[in-house]
Amino acid sequence: QVQLQESGPGLVKPSQTLSLTCTVSGGSVSSGGYYWTWIRQHPGKGLEWIGYIYYTESTSYNPSLKSRVAISVDTSKNQFSLKLSSVTAADTAVYYCARGGGGVTRAPYYFEYWGQGTLVTVSS
Amino acid sequence: QSALTQPASVSGSPGQSITISCTGTSSDVGSYNLVSWYQQHPGKAPKLMIYEVTKRPSGVSNRFSGSKSGNTASLTISGLQAEDEADYYCCSYVASSPVVFGGGTKLTVL
Repeated sequence: QVQLQESGPGLVKPSQTLSLTCTVSGGSVSSGGYYWTWIRQHPGKGLEWIGYIYYTESTSYNPSLKSRVAISVDTSKNQFSLKLSSVTAADTAVYYCARGGGGVTRAPYYFEYWGQGTLVTVSS
Repeated sequence: QSALTQPASVSGSPGQSITISCTGTSSDVGSYNLVSWYQQHPGKAPKLMIYEVTKRPSGVSNRFSGSKSGNTASLTISGLQAEDEADYYCCSYVASSPVVFGGGTKLTVL
């Protein structure tokens, strides 16, 4: 059973960089066919795709966040990470890491395994 | 990319069937059989219920089924149970994004 667990600060100051890590167990970030993805949910709102990384280190980001987002992978630790720069209160959300599947495309189109989510609050 | 359109809320009594719609465009739902549905209980992570329009992951009850017609996908829950009360989100592949989510539907079991 694949399990994902987010970790990182729960409070970030405005203009600083939000950094989160997702640790994967029961599966390998080096496995082909899966897309290691970050998704967020603003309080009381819907889901927003942030971006993903493939084991080849190929990445894709939501155009609305692209200038501020970077996703990386550490295969030695079986982890992938999110960095979101220049944060504002609008970035306050629950951040989820997930494993995306995409058997017929070169991008994820469903998310079978999710972390429990971590609330990140942007406030001074 | 605009979010897919879902009703804000639906309700039903135990044992009944309900259907949640998810309307997109010819660029997303209408172009690909790559719609997925997620169930989210309060304070919990979303759970995949349906993928590729009609497929159920292992362990998901066969009371949950999906379909699609044109630009609209649907999730049907039959034999409604109290534990089905949750928020439901649809999601579609779209080449430019690669995914777009619906705004979510709150299901109330009366």
